[in-house]
Amino acid sequence: GAGVSQTPSNKVTEKGKYVELRCDPISGHTALYWYRQSLGQGPEFLIYFQGTGAADDSGLPNDRFFAVRPEGSVSTLKIQRTERGDSAVYLCASSFGQGDTDTQYFGPGTRLTVL
Amino acid sequence: AQSVTQLGSHVSVSEGALVLLRCNYSSSVPPYLFWYVQYPNQGLQLLLKYTTGATLVKGINGFEAEFKKSETSFHLTKPSAHMSDAAEYFCAVSDHNTDKLIFGTGTRLQVFP
Repeated sequence: GAGVSQTPSNKVTEKGKYVELRCDPISGHTALYWYRQSLGQGPEFLIYFQGTGAADDSGLPNDRFFAVRPEGSVSTLKIQRTERGDSAVYLCASSFGQGDTDTQYFGPGTRLTVL
Repeated sequence: AQSVTQLGSHVSVSEGALVLLRCNYSSSVPPYLFWYVQYPNQGLQLLLKYTTGATLVKGINGFEAEFKKSETSFHLTKPSAHMSDAAEYFCAVSDHNTDKLIFGTGTRLQVFP
């Protein structure tokens, strides 16, 4: 079946603008994760949804970052007043939500560039 | 807090040579450990994972890793490198409370003919 998809694949914006990044998880997966990967680094956790609710948002760096998953499927990561330091690849992953041994399946990512 | 350290940001081997990518973890509870591979312009793909049971775990593409509690290690190996193995490899540990993955900084594997 289809894997995790993310749109857009690339996003270039100007400092101070608002952006939305979309993630379509694998059908039937109840858990959804957002990670951020900066150049030369491993992915860093941002937020985790179980169903519609954010089970853990401890990785969001500040209140400019927000994510939603209103129907328990598609999720949108929203970044307000973007800064150059927000430039990174934003990765989405989904799993069956059966616990910490579950395999997370990753999408190809959205490369965000803030000029 | 759990953490992962990957020694060596770059590893270069000749085609046919042994591949050894190092990963050490820190965890106060029994860890669940993962290796992911990232090919250029692609998403992360699971190679293998250790949860419980047999400490030698076999994964896809001929890779395997051994969980050694006494050494807090989970090194990834492959007996004979192929050109197609060139990629970035990430070791990760799963947080038991929230299921999030905590990644190392990655090791870029280059394979020379």
